[in-house]
Amino acid sequence: NAGVTQTPKFQVLKTGQSMTLQCAQDMNHNSMYWYRQDPGMGLRLIYYSASEGTTDKGEVPNGYNVSRLNKREFSLRLESAAPSQTSVYFCASSAGQGSHGYTFGSGTRLTVV
Amino acid sequence: QKEVEQNSGPLSVPEGAIASLNCTYSDRGSQSFFWYRQYSGKSPELIMFIYSNGDKEDGRFTAQLNKASQYVSLLIRDSQPSDSATYLCAALMNYGGSQGNLIFGKGTKLSVKP
Repeated sequence: NAGVTQTPKFQVLKTGQSMTLQCAQDMNHNSMYWYRQDPGMGLRLIYYSASEGTTDKGEVPNGYNVSRLNKREFSLRLESAAPSQTSVYFCASSAGQGSHGYTFGSGTRLTVV
Repeated sequence: QKEVEQNSGPLSVPEGAIASLNCTYSDRGSQSFFWYRQYSGKSPELIMFIYSNGDKEDGRFTAQLNKASQYVSLLIRDSQPSDSATYLCAALMNYGGSQGNLIFGKGTKLSVKP
């Protein structure tokens, strides 16, 4: 009954370091999403994967890459972290094409110094 | 640019009152709309979704949709302090390469005073 699991929950990076945020869902959902949430900016879509084997850019993809490893897992990679990437990152999944909404993970709070 | 607009608040209501949260959207092609609640430091959780004009009720919550006016609202009856949170409105993109993507508003912060 885990739903969407994100790791890590907190991370501090130095500028230029790289890291991968992990996301896994156990609801057999086809679609998965990565959002970032910043004060005053709301939730913004970074990348999404409508189905296993496909990924597409969202509203703010620059500086990020993603991998849909299998149906369960969708990872987000920062190759060279920048202070502008300080944010809270949420992974989400949906059964079909979002018609019943998304289920969100608990989030990763990332600080880049 | 498809947008969902919400008043950021804060909206303050006394305990037991009706809280009314509003949202407008720019894309006439959007067919489904969602309300999420987000407590401080937590992830968004789905409260309700609506895709037909009119009202949809679930317990103390009522979602209202008016497609002609491109307007969505959420009413919370008998508001409780535990309802204090930020409420996010979202519209489902329903065409082309963005099909299935949710566009979120920036949220309205609700404070229910005991």
